[in-house]
Amino acid sequence: DAMVIQNPRYQVTQFGKPVTLSCSQTLNHNVMYWYQQKSSQAPKLLFHYYDKDFNNEADTPDNFQSRRPNTSFCFLDIRSPGLGDAAMYLCATSRSLSTDTQYFGPGTRLTVL
Amino acid sequence: AQTVTQSQPEMSVQEAETVTLSCTYDTSESDYYLFWYKQPPSRQMILVIRQEAYKQQNATENRFSVNFQKAAKSFSLKISDSQLGDAAMYFCAYRKTGGFKTIFGAGTRLFVKA
Repeated sequence: DAMVIQNPRYQVTQFGKPVTLSCSQTLNHNVMYWYQQKSSQAPKLLFHYYDKDFNNEADTPDNFQSRRPNTSFCFLDIRSPGLGDAAMYLCATSRSLSTDTQYFGPGTRLTVL
Repeated sequence: AQTVTQSQPEMSVQEAETVTLSCTYDTSESDYYLFWYKQPPSRQMILVIRQEAYKQQNATENRFSVNFQKAAKSFSLKISDSQLGDAAMYFCAYRKTGGFKTIFGAGTRLFVKA
């Protein structure tokens, strides 16, 4: 049973054309995270939500935004994708901020043409 | 700042053999968690094993075990009786107790030869 679902799995966009990636979870977890993972690199945390509280990492570009309309869904918006934003985007959840285990989705691979 | 280092970009192992993946980390905290995550090609990342820093006993999950050396800040993963399905990218990760941020190493790609 899928617990963290990401749609689409593959997304192609044009340079500068806004794109939205979607994540949903069936775990009813309070925390949702977005990571960027470039080829052969470690996942890098972009931001996280604890319930409706949004927390941005200091080095996350302004080009990246997020929305969490309810517990189950979280979106990553890239306002003006550049070639450097091509990456795998991973969504993850955890029950609480102090819970050690994160559950990851399969990722969305973003290509920027 | 905390860092996690995996010095082996790639490793290979023969099926049914044992392999050890290395990880070192740096932190000034005394309470934290360490993890090994597995990311198979085109599939989601899953937790393989976790270790609480306050526990001296090394964690074990079936064929997976760790060698946790707190003083040396070393956290290696041993995979026994390697199977073809073990082929994946393996990430070592750190998380401060009570913290929300997980810090990942660069990963080790494991190849399993039949």
